[in-house]
Amino acid sequence: DGGITQSPKYLFRKEGQNVTLSCEQNLNHDAMYWYRQDPGQGLRLIYYSQIVNDFQKGDIAEGYSVSREKKESFPLTVTSAQKNPTAFYLCASRKEDKGNQPQHFGDGTRLSIL
Amino acid sequence: DQQVKQNSPSLSVQEGRISILNCDYTNSMFDYFLWYKKYPAEGPTFLISISSIKDKNEDGRFTVFLNKSAKHLSLHIVPSQPGDSAVYFCAAIRYSGGGADGLTFGKGTHLIIQP
Repeated sequence: DGGITQSPKYLFRKEGQNVTLSCEQNLNHDAMYWYRQDPGQGLRLIYYSQIVNDFQKGDIAEGYSVSREKKESFPLTVTSAQKNPTAFYLCASRKEDKGNQPQHFGDGTRLSIL
Repeated sequence: DQQVKQNSPSLSVQEGRISILNCDYTNSMFDYFLWYKKYPAEGPTFLISISSIKDKNEDGRFTVFLNKSAKHLSLHIVPSQPGDSAVYFCAAIRYSGGGADGLTFGKGTHLIIQP
């Protein structure tokens, strides 16, 4: 079945360490997104990519980095510069980054700081 | 500045009754609205949408109403079932390319269906 896979489901990090969250899709979608969800908050956009080898900052990109070397993959690195990294991270994709097509979401990765 | 607002963090409804989830927006440039449903520890799933040129869209037990003059939309679930217990996000798209910078989410409403 086509879909979006995020791994791992739970991730723990020591302070000062970088950590990379995986997002893979087999939907043949061009556009991919990373969101962060905090308790009582909506989804806030971190980074997005409209096509391979291209990506743009979202609303809260500071302390994060991404790459888009393959159409299927859009990994997110949470760097030590991110002061409050504990959150639920969601990856999404859609066919194109335009129009009214809904986004398809993965099941998320919960990141916690030890 | 929150452009999409869901003012009720939670809503409790008895099974079999109607659930009404509300969403207000401030940007009159939004062209399309969507509702997503989210279970704990899972990603949101798309539920139903409505174009700004319509005032109603229905899909089975789910109906979305849009009142453009009031900048208000609502999701009606009839009849409510236990499996409807989830967090519901309202989202809006602006067509300026319709790109990611035009997609805005509300904070969500936790719907609880009581047996």
